[in-house]
Amino acid sequence: DIQMTQSPSSLSASVGDRVTITCRASENIKRYLHWYQQTPGKAPKLLIYAASSLHSGVPSRFSGSGSGSDFTLTISSLQPEDFATYFCHQTDSTPWTFGQGTRVEIK
Amino acid sequence: QITLKESGPTLVKPTETLTLTCTFSGFSLTSSGMGVGWIRQPPGKALEWLAIIYWNGDKLFSPSLKSRLTVTKETSRNQVVLTVTNMDPMDTATYYCAHRVPLYDVFDMWGQGTMVTVSS
Repeated sequence: DIQMTQSPSSLSASVGDRVTITCRASENIKRYLHWYQQTPGKAPKLLIYAASSLHSGVPSRFSGSGSGSDFTLTISSLQPEDFATYFCHQTDSTPWTFGQGTRVEIK
Repeated sequence: QITLKESGPTLVKPTETLTLTCTFSGFSLTSSGMGVGWIRQPPGKALEWLAIIYWNGDKLFSPSLKSRLTVTKETSRNQVVLTVTNMDPMDTATYYCAHRVPLYDVFDMWGQGTMVTVSS
């Protein structure tokens, strides 16, 4: 199975901060990497697919980059509604796997 | 607009079989490329992909759970059914169904999820 490792596991940030979350795959997954946002009690919402493509309706402050085994999710200016947990997800090969999540908390 | 909703029991006993139904709208599972997947999330833990069924009837399963999983589609009812046999307390989780986009196999829309507790 491909292991997905996110870092950090949690972070504290203030509104307006630039936030970067990284995801590392244990194998080359090309660009089959997607990012989700999840708030407590809610289903995950797709933010970024194929490493860097912004899903419809997602604010442009979210961006993704990377290919191969190293990927990054960046929030350019953190907003109050962005405090949530973020997961990366690979669909290069089954079993499709998720990262353990990065919790973004209010500083 | 694509929507999905999971339904089923909230409590099952150990060794019982869990049956969950995903009822969806906004797309047809007869259309080429469409798929519906199942993902679960134990309380406070990460997401785990379980299975997917495609428009053509093909299915993929997580190897770790494959022997216990069945997934079927009822296209006329716009439903997908997941069964998990021999439930264990470790299977306690929120179970989600999700719409699969053909490009990159990404899940772009998820149901609200249904919490299933396994306890005697």
